[in-house]
Amino acid sequence: GQNIDQPTEMTATEGAIVQINCTYQTSGFNGLFWYQQHAGEAPTFLSYNVLDGLEEKGRFSSFLSRSKGYSYLLLKELQMKDSASYLCAVLDSNYQLIWGAGTKLIIKP
Amino acid sequence: GAVVSQHPSWVICKSGTSVKIECRSLDFQATTMFWYRQFPKQSLMLMATSNEGSKATYEQGVEKDKFLINHASLTLSTLTVTSAHPEDSSFYICSGASGDHNEQFFGPGTRLTVL
Repeated sequence: GQNIDQPTEMTATEGAIVQINCTYQTSGFNGLFWYQQHAGEAPTFLSYNVLDGLEEKGRFSSFLSRSKGYSYLLLKELQMKDSASYLCAVLDSNYQLIWGAGTKLIIKP
Repeated sequence: GAVVSQHPSWVICKSGTSVKIECRSLDFQATTMFWYRQFPKQSLMLMATSNEGSKATYEQGVEKDKFLINHASLTLSTLTVTSAHPEDSSFYICSGASGDHNEQFFGPGTRLTVL
């Protein structure tokens, strides 16, 4: 079966750095997405990785290792507004998005 | 970026009634649209995938006669929840993808409450 694993919840301090990990086992791979979702709102796109390596976009970076079935989202200089759920999703061979359950990130002052 | 709208944003209805939710891609042609449901504190659950002009493909466990999906044009898909019951209360989110399937653009979601 297809499976996406990410931690249920993480806590970090304002101004610090946090890394949210995601491991996956899917039938085929056409890319991995990270989305941010605030409570009561729809997800918003953060990043897309299809090749191995690190993609940096401002305070957010995303890393992919296809051989290990592993990705992480790195958030730097954390702000209170970064408190949200972070969803990892993999595009499989049928171009279906397989979603993780999400990681709830709590930022403390 | 591409914009997807949903209407209504929230709806409250009585048990047994039907509710229609519209999903529109405003500045791109969505050859494929996806309908998701999200219960509190849970991740998105894909309900169905629809391609313009053809029947929707439903995920296992989703009743196609209860959740009617129409994707009549490249910019509009509708989800009708027929004979809604309180257990259908959820956050319904649509997304659209163009010919390049590398990204889905999400609508703002519709919160349905069935009394």
